Amino acid sequence: DQQVKQNSPSLSVQEGRISILNCDYTNSMFDYFLWYKKYPAEGPTFLISISSIKDKNEDGRFTVFLNKSAKHLSLHIVPSQPGDSAVYFCAATPDNYGQNFVFGPGTRLSVLP
Amino acid sequence: NAGVTQTPKFRILKIGQSMTLQCTQDMNHNYMYWYRQDPGMGLKLIYYSVGAGITDKGEVPNGYNVSRSTTEDFPLRLELAAPSQTSVYFCAGGGAYSNQPQHFGDGTRLSIL
Repeated sequence: DQQVKQNSPSLSVQEGRISILNCDYTNSMFDYFLWYKKYPAEGPTFLISISSIKDKNEDGRFTVFLNKSAKHLSLHIVPSQPGDSAVYFCAATPDNYGQNFVFGPGTRLSVLP
Repeated sequence: NAGVTQTPKFRILKIGQSMTLQCTQDMNHNYMYWYRQDPGMGLKLIYYSVGAGITDKGEVPNGYNVSRSTTEDFPLRLELAAPSQTSVYFCAGGGAYSNQPQHFGDGTRLSIL
């Protein structure tokens, strides 16, 4: 049973518009969440994170929103650029110490010029 | 900066053969990890290490072994390759706390035929 779900395998967005990638989790003990971006033939790279004590975290064009009651988080990219085309993984952990992360299956984002 | 380096990038093995996937890092990470990623799935943890001489099993350890004789190196050993081990393997390094993102290598694509 997947504890971290990304129900959209793929998403296409026009350049300049907003991209919204969603992630749902089932374990109420998860306390810290991260988003990674992955290009073909490369390893995942860290994008942005959020702790459960917050409901929003921003870094430039990237904003992550957390709704703990709904066990849902989302990544907003505004404005979307062709270079954002990649696979995005959501990851969660119940631990503050130690890195026992559970990864979602990923969403492939295509930003069309 | 080399970061986390994995070799080889690609390998084809026959059933029953053995091999070692190499991983080395120059970021002085205490924690190191091996993941596998199957198509349409998230990364699953195989083994991890919290420091030289200390290793522990992750979610999917069967069929694999690891060692950590130095801080820099964390090789993954397949003793009797099976088709179910066809996957992309990622090595990562990180700190002790959840807010210290993991740094990934570029992966090894392994096919067992």
